[in-house]
Amino acid sequence: KQEVTQIPAALSVPEGENLVLNCSFTDSAIYNLQWFRQDPGKGLTSLLLIQSSQREQTSGRLNASLDKSSGRSTLYIAASQPGDSATYLCAVIGGATNKLIFGTGTLLAVQP
Amino acid sequence: DAEITQSPRHKITETGRQVTLACHQTWNHNNMFWYRQDLGHGLRLIHYSYGVQDTNKGEVSDGYSVSRSNTEDLPLTLESAASSQTSVYFCASSESRQGQATQYFGPGTRLLVL
Repeated sequence: KQEVTQIPAALSVPEGENLVLNCSFTDSAIYNLQWFRQDPGKGLTSLLLIQSSQREQTSGRLNASLDKSSGRSTLYIAASQPGDSATYLCAVIGGATNKLIFGTGTLLAVQP
Repeated sequence: DAEITQSPRHKITETGRQVTLACHQTWNHNNMFWYRQDLGHGLRLIHYSYGVQDTNKGEVSDGYSVSRSNTEDLPLTLESAASSQTSVYFCASSESRQGQATQYFGPGTRLLVL
């Protein structure tokens, strides 16, 4: 059974710092991995999707990498801003099922 | 702009009552999903559909049902609400059946069962 783990559970950094969020999964047979952002009381916003054949994806200050063989993904946020404060979730799809399996998230606080 | 909406956004009900949560998407996506989000468990899949008249059970489907009569809507019904079903419910949709497409999420429905 696929399990997704995110470390750390919470992170607080000063504004301007570069930071890395980690995601690990137990079964490397995935179709893709998706990173989401969730603001308090809101829905999920998709940030980046990495196909299983890809190594990384970039969007603005965000860069996500994928290492299937080791079962790991990282989300790199450059020059963090207070507006980046949110919970970040990673999720994987194993096989052609479209069923996302989520980690429990990392709560990020960027201090001004 | 295409979007996915959920109603109601907040609901309080009593144990034993039947409750239906609505989900409507204008993306024209074939795939639709219902998740619940609970502290300590993250998001878990309840039911999903790959198209009209197609429904499938997810990880935590007991006590829930869905029906898909058109592309745009996938209502979630709690047959007899239980306190354990107090949660935040999210609907999502995606384009591709092959696991390659982004899932788009609605804003969620907060359900309290007393």
